[in-house]
Amino acid sequence: GAVVSQHPSRVICKSGTSVKIECRSLDFQATTMFWYRQFPKQSLMLMATSNEGSKATYEQGVEKDKFLINHASLTLSTLTVTSAHPEDSSFYICSATEGLASSPDTQYFGPGTRLTVL
Amino acid sequence: QKEVEQDPGPLSVPEGAIVSLNCTYSNSAFQYFMWYRQYSRKGPELLMYTYSSGNKEDGRFTAQVDKSSKYISLFIRDSQPSDSATYLCAMSANRGSTLGRLYFGRGTQLTVWP
Repeated sequence: GAVVSQHPSRVICKSGTSVKIECRSLDFQATTMFWYRQFPKQSLMLMATSNEGSKATYEQGVEKDKFLINHASLTLSTLTVTSAHPEDSSFYICSATEGLASSPDTQYFGPGTRLTVL
Repeated sequence: QKEVEQDPGPLSVPEGAIVSLNCTYSNSAFQYFMWYRQYSRKGPELLMYTYSSGNKEDGRFTAQVDKSSKYISLFIRDSQPSDSATYLCAMSANRGSTLGRLYFGRGTQLTVWP
């Protein structure tokens, strides 16, 4: 099956710093990537949808200036949490899909990145 | 009202038991229904995928969709300790990737004890 990787798997940073999380599709070209956030014992909440070469579409309530998304190639999308604060501590998960005609079962998830902001 | 409702549990059963997990939803446009399994601190992995109403079976797992009641279920037969995980239901209204965003339930935490 298709593989999506994330790096780093875990990061701890000080309040006020910026953190970059990478999401890569290893064996397919990801036209679209999704970024989710998951708090403990909560569901996955979609933050934004990014298409290669265009600006990301953010969900209501998600600050686009705080969560910068770059989908510069068909295999890489990055999420940068700028000026991170303790309330940004969460589990960030990306998913990727090959094309606009893809069915939902071909959305592949990464292993997640646990961010802890001190 | 949330679009997808799922009882978070926790649910604890003995090995060999039949497990029943379910979700309800409010959006009648949902046509694709998925069940994901998520182990602690890992990303979700797709377990079952169903289009529209009906049943689908895969080994010990059976997914059921009742669109008239807006209710979906996942049954696990002969449950094993390795089935211990959080099970998330997810739904989608459209086929295209940008339109087919997934709506997740909260997840039900399942523990199968030996």
